[in-house]
Amino acid sequence: NAGVTQTPKFQVLKTGQSMTLQCAQDMNHEYMSWYRQDPGMGLRLIHYSVGAGITDQGEVPNGYNVSRSTTEDFPLRLLSAAPSQTSVYFCASSWFRDSNQPQHFGDGTRLSIL
Amino acid sequence: GENVEQHPSTLSVQEGDSAVIKCTYSDSASNYFPWYKQELGKRPQLIIDIRSNVGEKKDQRIAVTLNKTAKHFSLHITETQPEDSAVYFCAASIGRGNNDMRFGAGTRLTVKP
Repeated sequence: NAGVTQTPKFQVLKTGQSMTLQCAQDMNHEYMSWYRQDPGMGLRLIHYSVGAGITDQGEVPNGYNVSRSTTEDFPLRLLSAAPSQTSVYFCASSWFRDSNQPQHFGDGTRLSIL
Repeated sequence: GENVEQHPSTLSVQEGDSAVIKCTYSDSASNYFPWYKQELGKRPQLIIDIRSNVGEKKDQRIAVTLNKTAKHFSLHITETQPEDSAVYFCAASIGRGNNDMRFGAGTRLTVKP
């Protein structure tokens, strides 16, 4: 069991570029989510999914897209990168179709936008 | 919008002392309250959680208490050790089906040997 795997671990982008952060889990978890973590702040939920084909917005969804075509994968797309999106991004998953279960986090992707 | 307030932002204690971190939330429908520990450069890891039908939960040196009427919950760490030094985050479920999650800003705990 690899748990939650995020790639890449580090990325530097130029303003206006697009990219996809990958997240995969091998625990057959239904619930998956993306957070961003900025210095001095807690984690803020960007988007989440309660199952394949179902996604919804969290607290800070603007500038990001997600899709959930399979149970295992939940990629996060930055449409046109902005310096304000410089952050550490964490993907997390949990068993059931709600957030009331312990979430397993990936190791994070450190993203810098120049 | 719905939010979670966490205090204090930094906490320094002597090894062996107790540490208490407090959080308040605004959504009366919140029903799940996890606590995460995050070491520098690492992923957040769940240390304890509590659901709204329980007032207190304990796991060895760690305990969490919940007051739903006052909408606050607290983390208690007893007999602190240097390896307890980390940033601790509280969180509360919110929204439709409690599928959304709000985190506190974190508490940096330092345990001095």
